[in-house]
Amino acid sequence: ETGVTQTPRHLVMGMTNKKSLKCEQHLGHNAMYWYKQSAKKPLELMFVYSLEERVENNSVPSRFSPECPNSSHLFLHLHTLQPEDSALYLCASSRYTGQGFYNEQFFGPGTRLTVL
Amino acid sequence: DQQVKQNSPSLSVQEGRISILNCDYTNSMFDYFLWYKKYPAEGPTFLISISSIKDKNEDGRFTVFLNKSAKHLSLHIVPSQPGDSAVYFCAASARGSQGNLIFGKGTKLSVKP
Repeated sequence: ETGVTQTPRHLVMGMTNKKSLKCEQHLGHNAMYWYKQSAKKPLELMFVYSLEERVENNSVPSRFSPECPNSSHLFLHLHTLQPEDSALYLCASSRYTGQGFYNEQFFGPGTRLTVL
Repeated sequence: DQQVKQNSPSLSVQEGRISILNCDYTNSMFDYFLWYKKYPAEGPTFLISISSIKDKNEDGRFTVFLNKSAKHLSLHIVPSQPGDSAVYFCAASARGSQGNLIFGKGTKLSVKP
């Protein structure tokens, strides 16, 4: 595998379900991100992990819970979601080069989530 | 309020001609700008970037121009090819923002043979 991979590619879940999205990067990067893309809206940053520490949480509801067990893997745990959470969820990774600088982000193909 | 704006939702260009995609930003703290291309059912693909210390960066058929005083950047594609048809996103970040990219809504480019 190369680049950034995400599983599953499609997910349909009920509002009472618990599911997890998985992301893996094979680029040797040390920062990982979750984004949400809703219809007719720009990509919205949800979470940032840099050097395996969560450094950003953009006021995301607690029904979304990220986990970064190591620099190559990132999870997004989902529980009691709402229909308005249906969207494309994208994972990305980049390299933090120090002094506040990050290189360009590389994205996975995304998970298309539908909440019924 | 949107910090990164792409005011043209779509652009149609003839094959072989120049495509010019525009982007405006409001946050003067932004110092790194990127362009991404996205095909349906795929994640965005990085194209080209520019630091605020430069006003031009070129990579093959793609050139990005930055006008800091106008808070404006543009992506030029010359010559345009049908395979360039995709949605193009402009993004910006500021040093110290943990690599937080602020994206525009995108411009759909159609290159006609």
